[in-house]
Amino acid sequence: GQQLNQSPQSMFIQEGEDVSMNCTSSSIFNTWLWYKQDPGEGPVLLIALYKAGELTSNGRLTAQFGITRKDSFLNISASIPSDVGIYFCAGLTYNNNDMRFGAGTRLTVKP
Amino acid sequence: DTAVSQTPKYLVTQMGNDKSIKCEQNLGHDTMYWYKQDSKKFLKIMFSYNNKELIINETVPNRFSPKSPDKAHLNLHINSLELGDSAVYFCASSQESWSDTQYFGPGTRLTVL
Repeated sequence: GQQLNQSPQSMFIQEGEDVSMNCTSSSIFNTWLWYKQDPGEGPVLLIALYKAGELTSNGRLTAQFGITRKDSFLNISASIPSDVGIYFCAGLTYNNNDMRFGAGTRLTVKP
Repeated sequence: DTAVSQTPKYLVTQMGNDKSIKCEQNLGHDTMYWYKQDSKKFLKIMFSYNNKELIINETVPNRFSPKSPDKAHLNLHINSLELGDSAVYFCASSQESWSDTQYFGPGTRLTVL
């Protein structure tokens, strides 16, 4: 079945630094989604990507849907302490109603 | 207003018991989902359900069953609880189908002793 490889597994950065994380797959997806999960909370959608090559921004966040439809990345610019959390990518295929999540990237931001 | 809510937030129970987790969404969405998040934070879809179709992840034991009294609710029933069922369970909903954005509830942490 389709698997998502998300990297890095964890990141420790200084406040103000930029962050980049990505997801790759051996199969194609119709939609890529990026979520953030705070401790004790459910995942919250950050960005949704519906078209290959699409580049979408949401404030300091930018995400892209890879041309091959097998990958996506998320960038966070000028990180702040409240960016701390776990970021998940998710891929969705319409044909077989399948949604897969990456294992998550745990982000720690030092003030 | 809470869009997707779950109760209880925490559930501690013994092996062999039967328990239920409730989920309600006030978004007017047609499709609801249940996910399991294990101790390593890995999220896995269990069910998706709308008034037309129930899609079950084939790896989910039949001890787990979703019950939908109406469009706004999808409850998760678990029979004969096992230690390995300990996890955080998330409910989610979307407008119509898989192609729509899913909104997650706050999660229910289940601990089986």
